[in-house]
Amino acid sequence: QVQLQESGPGLLKPSETLSLTCTVSGGSISSHYWTWIRQPAGKGLEWIGRIHISDNTIYNPSLKSRVTMSLDTSTNQFSLKLNSVTAADTAIYYCARDPASDAFDYWGQGTLVTVSS
Amino acid sequence: DIQMTQSPSSLSASVGARVTITCRASQTITTYLNWYQQKPGKAPKLLIYAASTLQSWVPSRFSGSGSGTDFTLTISSLQPEDFATYYCQQNYNAPQTFGQGTKVEIK
Repeated sequence: QVQLQESGPGLLKPSETLSLTCTVSGGSISSHYWTWIRQPAGKGLEWIGRIHISDNTIYNPSLKSRVTMSLDTSTNQFSLKLNSVTAADTAIYYCARDPASDAFDYWGQGTLVTVSS
Repeated sequence: DIQMTQSPSSLSASVGARVTITCRASQTITTYLNWYQQKPGKAPKLLIYAASTLQSWVPSRFSGSGSGTDFTLTISSLQPEDFATYYCQQNYNAPQTFGQGTKVEIK
């Protein structure tokens, strides 16, 4: 059974860099696409981007200038960095598996990131 | 970006009722349409992919249909565990986008 678990700081100040890691168990990160999605409290879902071992990475144009994703096959983890955060980046951040760009079939439980001075 | 519009935004229904949720794309997405169910405090769960294929865990009272720009999620007989928010999502092209969600509440 594939499991995903997000980790990282839950509180940031404006202008800081958000750094989250998703640890994958029960499957290899060398297969499939791996995705980050966020959800502000009480609101809908926003796709941040996806990464693949082939270095095929696509970001949401609305965040592209601030986002970097990476993969570490040695630890079976993938990561998200979002720089210059503002209060608008406050949200629950989910990592998810995207097999061949079909649908998000496995999700982490989500981690709340709050941006506040 | 492809805009996904769901209707209604919320609905109230009784156990046993038939429920239909509509999702419309701003351009054709063929059948690159997925549905998710989200319960409070939980991550979304994939319900239906490719417009009409149920995930293995999904009861047969759920069904999905549509192609092009118009899609439907139907629950034939609403059960207590179905009260949740439902999202459609297109994976026709990037950025992948979601509908705003439909909250299904108990009447």
